[in-house]
Amino acid sequence: DAGVTQSPTHLIKTRGQHVTLRCSPISGHKSVSWYQQVLGQGPQFIFQYYEKEERGRGNFPDRFSARQFPNYSSELNVNALLLGDSALYLCATSPGGQGGETQYFGPGTRLLVL
Amino acid sequence: GIQVEQSPPDLILQEGANSTLRCNFSDSVNNLQWFHQNPWGQLINLFYIPSGTKQNGRLSATTVATERYSLLYISSSQTTDSGVYFCAGMEYGNKLVFGAGTILRVKS
Repeated sequence: DAGVTQSPTHLIKTRGQHVTLRCSPISGHKSVSWYQQVLGQGPQFIFQYYEKEERGRGNFPDRFSARQFPNYSSELNVNALLLGDSALYLCATSPGGQGGETQYFGPGTRLLVL
Repeated sequence: GIQVEQSPPDLILQEGANSTLRCNFSDSVNNLQWFHQNPWGQLINLFYIPSGTKQNGRLSATTVATERYSLLYISSSQTTDSGVYFCAGMEYGNKLVFGAGTILRVKS
């Protein structure tokens, strides 16, 4: 089975622009979570979606939004990009959404905001 | 929410040496995972270990949930073990709270 996939792998944007990042879960996984990892830090939780509903949200501004599709893939959208949004964005998936499960991470999308 | 602290922040080893990485967490967690992040950024699952001891080849991990710590042992280290090691506890739902990581450099 294929692992978690993310696209694009790299992205360069300028301040004020909008970006959409995509994640496809492992087959059979219904929960998708998004994390932001800035250089030198551990990943920070942004969102969790399960069965197309938001199940958790981290301490991020409303410029960040996400959604999950019927095939369980997910998009993360960031509006009005700031320089501080430059980071590695990671997607993690698991079979269910109730916790207590191993999370599997994708390779990430590197976003650079100029 | 839970807090996760890792030590040491940096570690340099000669190839073949053994090491122990530590993870302390502030509250009981129902999911403790160890990850290795390679130089390309990929987070690789090492262990899901809310309690007890597990071993996988040269790596093993022990979590003592009642004392709120977990240890990752690396034996006979190799240059390919280099990277950043993270532990993460699950707070609610599937939200993982990560420590700051331990940067491991193994020299040949």
